[in-house]
Amino acid sequence: GDSVTQMEGPVTLSEEAFLTINCTYTATGYPSLFWYVQYPGEGLQLLLKATKADDKGSNKGFEATYRKETTSFHLEKGSVQVSDSAVYFCALSEAGNQFYFGTGTSLTVIP
Amino acid sequence: EADIYQTPRYLVIGTGKKITLECSQTMGHDKMYWYQQDPGMELHLIHYSYGVNSTEKGDLSSESTVSRIRTEHFPLTLESARPSHTSQYLCASRRAGDTGELFFGEGSRLTVL
Repeated sequence: GDSVTQMEGPVTLSEEAFLTINCTYTATGYPSLFWYVQYPGEGLQLLLKATKADDKGSNKGFEATYRKETTSFHLEKGSVQVSDSAVYFCALSEAGNQFYFGTGTSLTVIP
Repeated sequence: EADIYQTPRYLVIGTGKKITLECSQTMGHDKMYWYQQDPGMELHLIHYSYGVNSTEKGDLSSESTVSRIRTEHFPLTLESARPSHTSQYLCASRRAGDTGELFFGEGSRLTVL
């Protein structure tokens, strides 16, 4: 069945450091891929998405490229800020039905 | 901006009480979902609906029940709350189609004493 595996945390970085959170997936067809962010005390918000192979999703300085050959969708940001401290979830959806989420990666950015 | 609302945001109740968590969306989405989020952050699908009068149980067994009488409304009910029900409950919706993202409410944090 479909599944998502993402890098375990927690991750602690200094401000302006480079961020990578790894995400790989298993799917039977051609899923859409998503990154969501959850700030403390809130629900999940869509950060970016990609709907087909080689698509790059980007938002707020974050990027992720849909790599079919490696079944990956790694999240990157060149220079993190304290305000990026949150939990990040990788997810996939196939055939427009259920979503499959990774277990979440907690990021703390220190000044 | 997402238009999906959950109430209450926070609730503390005693064991054995009946509670209903409300979820409403104004986007006309057919598909709606309830997730339970444990302290370790992982999300577990407990109920979903693909339209009015359609409800299904999710991957995680739950003693809660749901109804979908109107497109915009998807309440979750616990008939007799127990401490093991203490958790964060997240409601979400999405439009039909293969590429639509999920829109989440802000969550209802339930504590059962």
